[in-house]
Amino acid sequence: GQSLEQPSEVTAVEGAIVQINCTYQTSGFYGLSWYQQHDGGAPTFLSYNALDGLEETGRFSSFLSRSDSYGYLLLQELQMKDSASYFCAVNPAGTALIFGKGTTLSVSS
Amino acid sequence: DSGVTQTPKHLITATGQRVTLRCSPRSGDLSVYWYQQSLDQGLQFLIQYYNGEERAKGNILERFSAQQFPDLHSELNLSSLELGDSALYFCASSALAGGGNEQFFGPGTRLTVL
Repeated sequence: GQSLEQPSEVTAVEGAIVQINCTYQTSGFYGLSWYQQHDGGAPTFLSYNALDGLEETGRFSSFLSRSDSYGYLLLQELQMKDSASYFCAVNPAGTALIFGKGTTLSVSS
Repeated sequence: DSGVTQTPKHLITATGQRVTLRCSPRSGDLSVYWYQQSLDQGLQFLIQYYNGEERAKGNILERFSAQQFPDLHSELNLSSLELGDSALYFCASSALAGGGNEQFFGPGTRLTVL
């Protein structure tokens, strides 16, 4: 089967840097994705890593180590609007996404 | 706005009833996915269609069924509803059959079963 582990909650202050870790166990692996979901809203795509290394997109970066079955999402210069749930996801069969339980990020001023 | 539309936005019904949720994918996307999100189970994959054909099945109950029509819109049918079926139901679409690396989610249908 598939399992993804990520912390349930993270808190930080505006302007800080936060890292959300994700470890996974899957029968197949194509890549690790990250999605953001504001309360009651739709998940939106943030990043995807198919190969080892760091991908940077503005204030957000994502890292993958396939040998360690581990990845993380790094959020820099935190803003209040970054308060949301963050999900890591894999698509082990190359089709649908299997999501972690999500990490709720609370950013305070 | 992801370009994926879902109707209705909210649905309130009673146990034992049947409902139909509708999804229109982004223009040009051939793959449609259905996900269920509840507080205790998180985001769970239900079923995927690609160009009218069932492509992959997840944790979909036998009481639930789906189809994708020639115009590529999809419907998720939920029958013999139970209290535990109350959840947010998301539809997502992607261009590729393999899901690719990005799926675009609709705004969801919030189902409440009383």
